[in-house]
Amino acid sequence: DAGVIQSPRHEVTEMGQEVTLRCKPISGHNSLFWYRQTMMRGLELLIYFNNNVPIDDSGMPEDRFSAKMPNASFSTLKIQPSEPRDSAVYFCASSLAVSRVGIQYFGAGTRLSVL
Amino acid sequence: QKEVEQNSGPLSVPEGAIASLNCTYSDRVSQSFFWYRQYSGKSPELIMSIYSNGDKEDGRFTAQLNKASQYVSLLIRDSQPSDSATYLCAVILNQFYFGTGTSLTVIP
Repeated sequence: DAGVIQSPRHEVTEMGQEVTLRCKPISGHNSLFWYRQTMMRGLELLIYFNNNVPIDDSGMPEDRFSAKMPNASFSTLKIQPSEPRDSAVYFCASSLAVSRVGIQYFGAGTRLSVL
Repeated sequence: QKEVEQNSGPLSVPEGAIASLNCTYSDRVSQSFFWYRQYSGKSPELIMSIYSNGDKEDGRFTAQLNKASQYVSLLIRDSQPSDSATYLCAVILNQFYFGTGTSLTVIP
């Protein structure tokens, strides 16, 4: 299996623009996670899907952030409008099932820079 | 108190020594604990999981869990320069939490 695939790997945009990050989980995995990592705050869970349904979005920082999972093989994280403080590395991870939520496989991440 | 706390380091040990990484967590009910390793510029990868009190060994790595004291530790024996990375402790509480990580440098 190719593992968790994220795109783009790098994104540079200007403040106010819309940003869309994409993730393809490992085939057969039922749980998908979006994280944000910064030096100051470490790795933060933003949202968690199980069987394509959002289970916990309490980590989504504000209404500018939204996430969807239209099917088992694709998810997006959208930021609109983007702000410089959104600059971070965004990771997507997947796990086999809710019972295995601690065993997660991470994608390579998207490094977002908002100027 | 944060849900999961780690000493951010940096921790430096000479090659061949034992590296000891510690993590405390806030909820006695926690049942599942994990250690992830993250090389600079890379994504986290799972290296150990532990669910019961005591020690769990996997090669040069030993995870130790003490639920009464609410801490979990990771020992790396015979440390190698290739072990230089940030080690993230993770705990399942009401959701899945990562600590901020401890940076380890193994000096040749």
